[in-house]
Parts: sequence; C-alpha cells; structure tokens
Amino acid sequence: DIQMTQSPSSLSASVGDRVTITCRASQGIRNDLGWYQQKPGKAPKRLIYAASSLQSGVPSRFSGSGSGTEFTLTISSLQPEDFATYYCLQHNSYPQTFGQGTKVEIK
Amino acid sequence: EVQLVESGGGLVQPGRSLRLSCAASGFTFDDYAMHWVRQAPGKGLEWVSGISWNSGSIGYADSVKGRFTISRDNAKNSLYLQMNSLRAEDTALYYCANPVRDYWGQGTLVTVSS
Repeated sequence: DIQMTQSPSSLSASVGDRVTITCRASQGIRNDLGWYQQKPGKAPKRLIYAASSLQSGVPSRFSGSGSGTEFTLTISSLQPEDFATYYCLQHNSYPQTFGQGTKVEIK
Repeated sequence: EVQLVESGGGLVQPGRSLRLSCAASGFTFDDYAMHWVRQAPGKGLEWVSGISWNSGSIGYADSVKGRFTISRDNAKNSLYLQMNSLRAEDTALYYCANPVRDYWGQGTLVTVSS
C-alpha cells in the first residue's frame, strides 16, 4: 500500500504570507495526486489535479508541483478565505490514500 | 448539475450491519469510477473503497477489508456500501464521491455505539 506523509500537520500564518505544504509518497505515483481544501461542515473541494494543474475557478495564488514521490502545494499570498484544512490524495493505485491533513490557522 | 445524495446512515450497535446508498445525477454515472470516503468526528479524510465503472476493479482500505462491500447499479445510477461487523471506530460521516472529478455528496452520518 502507498502511504502519504503530509507535513506540517498544522501551521499558523498571516494574511499575505506564502505557505507551502508537502506530501511524500512511499513509492512513485507519477502525477496521480490531487490537493483538496476543506472548511468546517463542508465537503472537500479540489484545488489541484494531476499534481500541478489548477482546477477551474480556483484562484491562481494556489499552485502545485512535483512528480513521483514529492509533491508541494503552495499558496503564494494567503487570503482570509484560505484558512482551512488541506489534504493530498493519491489515486495511482488501490487503496487510494489521503495525507493526514494540514490545518492552516490565523496567526 | 452533479448531485450525489447519500442515505442509509444512522445509529447502529457494534457488530451490526448497515447499508449506505448514493443516488447520482447530473453526469453519466456509468462512465466513472466511484468511491466512498469517510471522516470521523474531528479527524481527517479517509478513503474507504472504490469501484470502477463496470465493477471490474474494486479496492478497500485495510481498515474495512473483509467487512465492507462496495457495489453499484448503473441502471439505477446508484452506489452502495454494505457495512458488516461495525465497530466504534467506523463512526464517521460517509461521503459518496469521485474525488478525481471533484464530485462529492454531503455525506451520511454513521454512528456505531451501544
């Protein structure tokens, strides 16, 4: 089974900060990875697909990079509406696996 | 508009069974794999199970393998999750989803407690 190690588990940041979240896969998954944002009481929302492609309608301050085993989600300038929990998901093979999540809080 | 509507959740005693259903509309259901994703209270997302468009490929998380069975009926645009031998740790909000397409239901709550 492929394990996804996501870090950090939480971070505090200010509006305007650059934020980086990392997911590491225990084996290569090509670019079969998505990044999701979840706010309390809501279903997840996809931000990035195929590791680096921006979902339609998602602000360009979100970007993804990586391939194989190392992946990064970057928010270039944190906005108030970005305070949420973020997850990566590998869909390369069953069982699919989410990262543990990163909670982005206001400093 | 894509809609995924889950049903079948509720309070159940440990060791008992429950069957979740998901009614899909707004897209060509039998073109796509479908999945169940769950989230325990205050915890992260956990992929539970997935099934290919023709039921030819099925996968389960280790935590539910041997206890849960996923199935689909393309004629009814429906996805199912049969959950047997339920445990307290199965308590969660269960989402019907296709995460790769970013299709999500609102979830159905399963509570396993005596």
